[in-house]
Amino acid sequence: ETGVTQSPTHLIKTRGQQVTLRCSSQSGHNTVSWYQQALGQGPQFIFQYYREEENGRGNFPPRFSGLQFPNYSSELNVNALELDDSALYLCASSRTSGGENIQYFGAGTRLSVL
Amino acid sequence: SQKIEQNSEALNIQEGKTATLTCNYTNYSPAYLQWYRQDPGRGPVFLLLIRENEKEKRKERLKVTFDTTLKQSLFHITASQPADSATYLCALPTEASGSARQLTFGSGTQLTVLP
Repeated sequence: ETGVTQSPTHLIKTRGQQVTLRCSSQSGHNTVSWYQQALGQGPQFIFQYYREEENGRGNFPPRFSGLQFPNYSSELNVNALELDDSALYLCASSRTSGGENIQYFGAGTRLSVL
Repeated sequence: SQKIEQNSEALNIQEGKTATLTCNYTNYSPAYLQWYRQDPGRGPVFLLLIRENEKEKRKERLKVTFDTTLKQSLFHITASQPADSATYLCALPTEASGSARQLTFGSGTQLTVLP
């Protein structure tokens, strides 16, 4: 078990709504990354936060945004939800930004958009 | 364009046999490659990392090879057990916009070890 915790575990929203997902990183880790995983696919990188700043972003629109707090916990916010946003959202922490980037994942939040 | 491909079908093997999973990539020159295990309803768990200058890495019953000429990594589980049944993901470092390095994952291979 990693020390990464995510909440909530499941969430149901309707199209057009906004959602906030939360993540507590493993002790000693200062970098948090967020991933979207569709059924039958591998995790797809959304963005990474290091020292409370976004320092890398994948191919996701601006309605996906995030925050990192001084204790290195993080939030993922998604505005104007679309049906295709239904997926497992994974948070991962790592010791630092860069290096060999070993990711320690939480169990994820399953988001369903109706 | 850059691409990572894993065994496209699910892999079923008999307990005690060696499972071999494949990860092929194109248009990358990764400094390392990682393998993760994912169980249903859980996040991926890191298993092994192999660097570009390493041909082979072992950890208990796991063995990973990395051929940068073929652009391929093989992941072996020897003396497989039903508890090894899971989805296995390979991941490579790629450039993200910004200063971070991101990990790009393959779609995974679902392994079932039959008793």
